[in-house]
Amino acid sequence: RKEVEQDPGPFNVPEGATVAFNCTYSNSASQSFFWYRQDCRKEPKLLMSVYSSGNEDGRFTAQLNRASQYISLLIRDSKLSDSATYLCVGPYSGAGSYQLTFGKGTKLSVIP
Amino acid sequence: EPEVTQTPSHQVTQMGQEVILRCVPISNHLYFYWYRQILGQKVEFLVSFYNNEISEKSEIFDDQFSVERPDGSNFTLKIRSTKLEDSAMYFCASSSGTGGWKLFFGSGTQLSVL
Repeated sequence: RKEVEQDPGPFNVPEGATVAFNCTYSNSASQSFFWYRQDCRKEPKLLMSVYSSGNEDGRFTAQLNRASQYISLLIRDSKLSDSATYLCVGPYSGAGSYQLTFGKGTKLSVIP
Repeated sequence: EPEVTQTPSHQVTQMGQEVILRCVPISNHLYFYWYRQILGQKVEFLVSFYNNEISEKSEIFDDQFSVERPDGSNFTLKIRSTKLEDSAMYFCASSSGTGGWKLFFGSGTQLSVL
């Protein structure tokens, strides 16, 4: 069974802090992962795709460790607007399966 | 920026009634999905749809559920006889099938079954 596990948090960090989330997965045949952001009672919004070589977008860095089967998201210089739930999503195995599996999410609160 | 649109934003219904949730995916996308999220729980896959047929469905998507693409733009989810446990936020999503299978979600329909 494909599973994606996340620490639910909450992570309470001050503005300007660096915070990291990890997510583990069980399907070793996976090819694609994503980090989505979800605000309270809103739809998930794509934050980043995750590549094994590392993927950086401004203050956000995502990495995939296939050997240990985990995905990470690093947020530098946290802003108040980063407060949300971060969803680890995957894996897409590519074997004709279009189903993505969502983790339960890690809640981040950035405090002034 | 193109977006997935869903209507209605809120739907209240009596147990046993039929509901139809509507979605307009992004126009050049080929893959369509329904997900749901019960309050306080994770987003769960229901069904995927490609080339006018269901590609994959989860165990949640039983005989009470059906999907349809009645024309070139709409994508609907029908629940034939709603149960209390169907109360959830239902998200439609679409994907172009390229760029690593990124999903773009609509803003959801909050379904409340009384």
